[in-house]
Amino acid sequence: DGGITQSPKYLFRKEGQNVTLSCEQNLNHDAMYWYRQDPGQGLRLIYYSQIVNDFQKGDIAEGYSVSREKKESFPLTVTSAQKNPTAFYLCASSQTNYEQYFGPGTRLTVT
Amino acid sequence: GQQLNQSPQSMFIQEGEDVSMNCTSSSIFNTWLWYKQEPGEGPVLLIALYKAGELTSNGRLTAQFGITRKDSFLNISASIPSDVGIYFCAVSYGNKLVFGAGTILRVKS
Repeated sequence: DGGITQSPKYLFRKEGQNVTLSCEQNLNHDAMYWYRQDPGQGLRLIYYSQIVNDFQKGDIAEGYSVSREKKESFPLTVTSAQKNPTAFYLCASSQTNYEQYFGPGTRLTVT
Repeated sequence: GQQLNQSPQSMFIQEGEDVSMNCTSSSIFNTWLWYKQEPGEGPVLLIALYKAGELTSNGRLTAQFGITRKDSFLNISASIPSDVGIYFCAVSYGNKLVFGAGTILRVKS
């Protein structure tokens, strides 16, 4: 089955710890994206990558970091510098600049 | 940044009713997309629109790309309980998508 997987579905961390969220796709898409969603709000772009070994900041990149060493993988690290890390994180991939396909999301809770 | 205005913010309708929601922008865009998100899941692409004036259907869903390229509409006919969720519009902006804040749909059975 082709698709996007995110793991884990739920993640709990203590404040001050870095945490890495996984995103893998087997759709052979070139572009991958990370979004953050807060309750009652739309999706805000954190980082995106058009090709391997290259990525760009989105609208809310502060406190986050990414890598794109493989086409299939685009992990997101939420660092201790992110002031409000508790949120629902969504990964997406795309072969064009238009239609993006999303994973099931990871809900991160930091206490 | 670019902003999309989605309305209504939420809807609570009776099963079997038709639903209409829209998305507007102050700027022109050449691609409009509609997504549905169910609770705790990622958004699913419903319809993509690439041509001004285009009307596209997907089952009970119909979406239109406004002729001015500044708006789009999504209609759902004969709503059923599984239609509940958040419906997002999105536009293509360079290498990215910009999303509206969403319309929350609840259905009374």
